[in-house]
Amino acid sequence: DIVLTQTPLSVSVTPGQPASISCKSSQSLLDINGKTFFYWYLQKPGQPPQLLIYEVSNRFSGVPDRISGSGSGTDFTLKISRVEAEDVGIYYCMQSFQSPFTFGPGTKVDIK
Amino acid sequence: QVQLVQSGSELKKPGASVKVSCKASGYTLSSYALAWVRQAPGQGLEWMGWINTATGNPTYAQGFTGRFVFSLDTSVRTAFLQINSLKAEDTGVYYCARFRRLDYWGQGTLVTVSS
Repeated sequence: DIVLTQTPLSVSVTPGQPASISCKSSQSLLDINGKTFFYWYLQKPGQPPQLLIYEVSNRFSGVPDRISGSGSGTDFTLKISRVEAEDVGIYYCMQSFQSPFTFGPGTKVDIK
Repeated sequence: QVQLVQSGSELKKPGASVKVSCKASGYTLSSYALAWVRQAPGQGLEWMGWINTATGNPTYAQGFTGRFVFSLDTSVRTAFLQINSLKAEDTGVYYCARFRRLDYWGQGTLVTVSS
């Protein structure tokens, strides 16, 4: 199975400051058609996860442009340019390149 | 708009069965498979598998074979997750989500297994 490793596992951020989360895959997620099946989700307290970024760098509908995704192959990064109170929660990366699909362990983001 | 609406919380005794439903609306059901994801209390997300909504063919992740059954009733646009011979460790929130991006999620169904 593909293993996704997230760092850090927890971060506390001052409002208005940037935050960055890394996710490393145990193997490349790039398929032969050039698509990379890698995603970022945010789970706010008491809610189901919500898709933020699909296929590495594409923002899902309604996601603010201060949230961005980048990376390739096995190394991926989620960046929040200016953290706001609504960004609090647990961020998960996920791969759907190979079955079984797998999630990272999650990164808890809270506000200082 | 796309919506996935799941059935309500369940409290079951060990050894019993439970059937969770996930009703889809706002899109063509057969165009997207439906995935199931488990979240144990205080834990992360765990991939259970998915069901092809065009053929009804299920695919199970390791650890979710045998007691877990994915099914579909296209007449009511609803997918089902049945868990048989429930164990305490099956306690958790079960989510359905639209495959493959998991772009839309149900609200989750809490299944509690306790004697």
